[in-house]
Amino acid sequence: NAGVTQTPKFQVLKTGQSMTLQCAQDMNHEYMSWYRQDPGMGLRLIHYSVGAGITDQGEVPNGYNVSRSTTEDFPLRLLSAAPSQTSVYFCASTNGVADTQYFGPGTRLTVL
Amino acid sequence: KQEVTQIPAALSVPEGENLVLNCSFTDSAIYNLQWFRQDPGKGLTSLLLIQSSQREQTSGRLNASLDKSSGRSTLYIAASQPGDSATYLCAVQGGNSNSGYALNFGKGTSLLVTP
Repeated sequence: NAGVTQTPKFQVLKTGQSMTLQCAQDMNHEYMSWYRQDPGMGLRLIHYSVGAGITDQGEVPNGYNVSRSTTEDFPLRLLSAAPSQTSVYFCASTNGVADTQYFGPGTRLTVL
Repeated sequence: KQEVTQIPAALSVPEGENLVLNCSFTDSAIYNLQWFRQDPGKGLTSLLLIQSSQREQTSGRLNASLDKSSGRSTLYIAASQPGDSATYLCAVQGGNSNSGYALNFGKGTSLLVTP
């Protein structure tokens, strides 16, 4: 199993550009989520999904869109990038509320 | 809102020492608590998961305890090695969060083990 994979590993955007961060898992997990990690702030939940077709907002959802058309994939879209979205983004998945959460390697995003 | 605090923020110890990392949380209605390791520029690796009904979990030189009523957890690392140098993150699941699955993270303890 590859576990949780994320692409790209690094990305530089200009303010106002759009892009999609990809996340995929091959463990057949129903629950997937996106976090951002900023210095001094820890990891904060952006959006999550409890299954295909079901998504909801986390702590810091503004400026981000998600959809979940399959169990395996959970992309995160930035519609109009802002410098405040410069961060490291992590995708995670788990099989259930009592189970270990598995994290991807992260995408390091810089918005100029 | 669940608040998770980790003390100390940074720790430097000589190789071979036993050490304790602390984590506290404000809402005791949790499903579980998970300790992660993060190496610089890398993702998070799960070390130990303690269910709310459990008191401790062990894996090799690592032992994590949970006192849910007092909102505390400790991660004990025995006979530390330079390869243990990393940031250790504590995360609780459940409590007053947006989703029962969501993790609330502390800001981490940065550990340096010197040869």
